[in-house]
Amino acid sequence: AQSVTQPDIHITVSEGASLELRCNYSYGATPYLFWYVQSPGQGLQLLLKYFSGDTLVQGIKGFEAEFKRSQSSFNLRKPSVHWSDAAEYFCAVATGMKTSYDKVIFGPGTSLSVIP
Amino acid sequence: KAGVTQTPRYLIKTRGQQVTLSCSPISGHRSVSWYQQTPGQGLQFLFEYFSETQRNKGNFPGRFSGRQFSNSRSEMNVSTLELGDSALYLCASSLYGQVRETQYFGPGTRLLVL
Repeated sequence: AQSVTQPDIHITVSEGASLELRCNYSYGATPYLFWYVQSPGQGLQLLLKYFSGDTLVQGIKGFEAEFKRSQSSFNLRKPSVHWSDAAEYFCAVATGMKTSYDKVIFGPGTSLSVIP
Repeated sequence: KAGVTQTPRYLIKTRGQQVTLSCSPISGHRSVSWYQQTPGQGLQFLFEYFSETQRNKGNFPGRFSGRQFSNSRSEMNVSTLELGDSALYLCASSLYGQVRETQYFGPGTRLLVL
């Protein structure tokens, strides 16, 4: 069965420091991967997604993620964190073969705190 | 363009009651998906509707149901509420589906079952 793990439940970084959030997936075929962010009191917002092609994906708010098939990973990175990045981050994988009928499975999330 | 709206935002019910939540998608979006978010189970997919038809369903009991109207607005219903149904219920809309197109999420309805 498809699954997503995020090994870090909570991460604290200083403002201006770099950030890497880990994500590992389990899926037999080519995965379709996503990162979402959920700020306090707000709904989820898509940061970026990977379907195929270049394994380094650029997203909004200065985030990027790299797909590594050999490691079954899709880690999210940001070179310099801002206080407003404090939020819950969810990695997700889509099942099936990129049809409109597939569903998205979310990881447990990583909570990010930013120290001023 | 208005975003996804969900009503009500907060709801308190007692065990055994039923509840109906509403979701209005972004104009022009035909796919509406529902998710349940709890501290213990995280984000779990409930079901997806497209053009008034349910085309995908997660692993939830039959007490959870939904429907979509011709204007793409969607409702979900939970009958015979249990304490474990307390959660944030999120609705998301997209043009044609939750994978190929970007999903836009609403702020959620927080349900508390006493």
